[in-house]
Amino acid sequence: GEKVEQHESTLSVREGDSAVINCTYTDTASSYFPWYKQEAGKSLHFVIDIRSNVDRKQSQRLIVLLDKKAKRFSLHITATQPEDSAIYFCAASRSNNRIFFGDGTQLVVKP
Amino acid sequence: DMKVTQMPRYLIKRMGENVLLECGQDMSHETMYWYRQDPGLGLQLIYISYDVDSNSEGDIPKGYRVSRKKREHFSLILDSAKTNQTSVYFCASSKDWGAYEQYFGPGTRLTVL
Repeated sequence: GEKVEQHESTLSVREGDSAVINCTYTDTASSYFPWYKQEAGKSLHFVIDIRSNVDRKQSQRLIVLLDKKAKRFSLHITATQPEDSAIYFCAASRSNNRIFFGDGTQLVVKP
Repeated sequence: DMKVTQMPRYLIKRMGENVLLECGQDMSHETMYWYRQDPGLGLQLIYISYDVDSNSEGDIPKGYRVSRKKREHFSLILDSAKTNQTSVYFCASSKDWGAYEQYFGPGTRLTVL
């Protein structure tokens, strides 16, 4: 099956700087790549996704990049704020299969 | 109001006791999931339900079973709980399986003594 790896287990940035979280996947047939955020002590919620028909997607301060050749995708958070501090999970799936999650990256935004 | 609910939110049981975790959703989603989350291990998929009475094992089904008799309800059952089943359990739902956003419940923190 698919295996999704998140390269950074923790990431610390200064408020206002950009944060980048990188993920790789193994299944060349994967075509859907969502990101989820989990704040301390809370549940997960969806933040942004990208499908394989595009290589870039932006929603406000969040940018997702997809490199299908390298089987790599990344989440860029610009102008970070304290409320961005959380665990971020990347995931991948085929269009007709379950989602496989990475192990999460703890992002800390320092004031 | 799109919502996934879980009951109970906190539960303490003794080893060998039976455990019932319940999940509900109000979005008429076909697909529902049970995950467990342990520190450093991310999310592990226990079971997927594609619809009523249509369930499939995930990555770690041993020691668990599920029941889905109504589309809006999905239960996770631990027969004779073990201490290594102490974890946080999340239920989620999605419109369909695969490439669709999952909506997560608030989680149930289960402690097995």
